[in-house]
Amino acid sequence: AQSVTQLGSHVSVSEGALVLLRCNYSSSVPPYLFWYVQYPNQGLQLLLKYTTGATLVKGINGFEAEFKKSETSFHLTKPSAHMSDAAEYFCAVSDSGSGNTGKLIFGQGTTLQVKP
Amino acid sequence: AAGVIQSPRHLIKEKRETATLKCYPIPRHDTVYWYQQGPGQDPQFLISFYEKMQSDKGSIPDRFSAQQFSDYHSELNMSSLELGDSALYFCASSLGSWGPTDTQYFGPGTRLTVL
Repeated sequence: AQSVTQLGSHVSVSEGALVLLRCNYSSSVPPYLFWYVQYPNQGLQLLLKYTTGATLVKGINGFEAEFKKSETSFHLTKPSAHMSDAAEYFCAVSDSGSGNTGKLIFGQGTTLQVKP
Repeated sequence: AAGVIQSPRHLIKEKRETATLKCYPIPRHDTVYWYQQGPGQDPQFLISFYEKMQSDKGSIPDRFSAQQFSDYHSELNMSSLELGDSALYFCASSLGSWGPTDTQYFGPGTRLTVL
């Protein structure tokens, strides 16, 4: 079975500081990985995804993530945090096993707080 | 750009009542997923449809049923509601080339409160 684990349910950074949100995956098949952001009372918005090819993936709003197979990680980073980045962030792996339906399996989420 | 539409946005029901949630995918998207997000929890997959056929089923109670219609919209029917059904219900749609790599676009969700 595939799964993701997000390390740290809450992360607090100062405005302008580096953002690092950690995600580790478990998968017996090549994983397809996603980061979604959820603002209060809103749906989930895709930040970026990794399927194949380049392991450094750039997304929207200045975010990027690097797929590291040796570390089974897909950490999300942003060089400089902005107040508007405060939200809930979910790492997810899509079901690529038997049936290949693509349902998403989410991590527990990380709440990012940005302090002025 | 058109997004996924869900209705209603908020729904309040009593225990043992029935609720119907609707999802209108992005035009030309042929795949619909339903997820349930409890308070402070991550979204959990319920059920999915591809080209109007059920493609996968997760931890969906037998009290729940769903279908995808000829116009690709989908409805989630929930009967004998329980307090524990209170949650945010998301619908997501994708253009099904190959499910696992397709981007799912999420709607704003329906917040169901069971009293």
